[in-house]
Amino acid sequence: DGGITQSPKYLFRKEGQNVTLSCEQNLNHDAMYWYRQDPGQGLRLIYYSQIVNDFQKGDIAEGYSVSREKKESFPLTVTSAQKNPTAFYLCASTPWAGGLNTEAFFGQGTRLTVV
Amino acid sequence: GIQVEQSPPDLILQEGANSTLRCNFSDSVNNLQWFHQNPWGQLINLFYIPSGTKQNGRLSATTVATERYSLLYISSSQTTDSGVYFCMNNAYSGAGSYQLTFGKGTKLSVIP
Repeated sequence: DGGITQSPKYLFRKEGQNVTLSCEQNLNHDAMYWYRQDPGQGLRLIYYSQIVNDFQKGDIAEGYSVSREKKESFPLTVTSAQKNPTAFYLCASTPWAGGLNTEAFFGQGTRLTVV
Repeated sequence: GIQVEQSPPDLILQEGANSTLRCNFSDSVNNLQWFHQNPWGQLINLFYIPSGTKQNGRLSATTVATERYSLLYISSSQTTDSGVYFCMNNAYSGAGSYQLTFGKGTKLSVIP
C-alpha cells in the first residue's frame, strides 16, 4: 500500500537532547512538509521541501532542522535550541509543489514529550 | 500570505442535527481539502474538492472557487462526528513556492 509513514508514534526526550523524527513516503511525491500542532491549536508549518536537496523554512523553523537527501525521506530534527518542543508533529506530502491535482497526504503523527 | 478563515470556531450539536462549516480564503482556491482530526491526532482526509460538489454518505462539500469559499455539510450528526475539522488550501505563496495553508479549525461536539 502506498502511503506516508511517521515514526516513532510517541517519543520522549530529555531536556538538552536532539531528537530526529522520521517521515517516509512511497507515493513518489516531490513535495514534503512538517507541521507542529500544540494542544487545542491549529497546524503551523515548520519546514517544507519541493524537491530533493532543497528545503525552505516555514513559519516556526527556529530550533528545527531538516534534510532531503532522498525523495522518499524528509527527517525532522528537533534540536536543544527549540525552547518548547513538546507537541504533536505531522508530516505531509503532495505529488508536486504546485498546480492542479496536488492532493496532500498526511502521516499519523509523532507525539513528542520533553521529560 | 494566504489567509484561511474557518467558521464557526466551536459548534455544539444535538445528535441527529445538521450543520454547515465554512472556509473563506483571501486568495485563489486551488487544491482545497477538508480533514477530520480524530482523537489520536490523525488527519482523516474527507474531501479533495478544488471546485464543485462531492458527497460521501452523510457528508458533502461544496467549493465555489470564484468566490473563494468552501462549505462542509454534516447531516444527521452522530457522536462519532465529534472532533476538529480543518480546511486546507495548497496555493502559491510567492517566490516560486507553494504551501499547504490551514484554517484554525472548527471544534464540533455532538451530544447524545
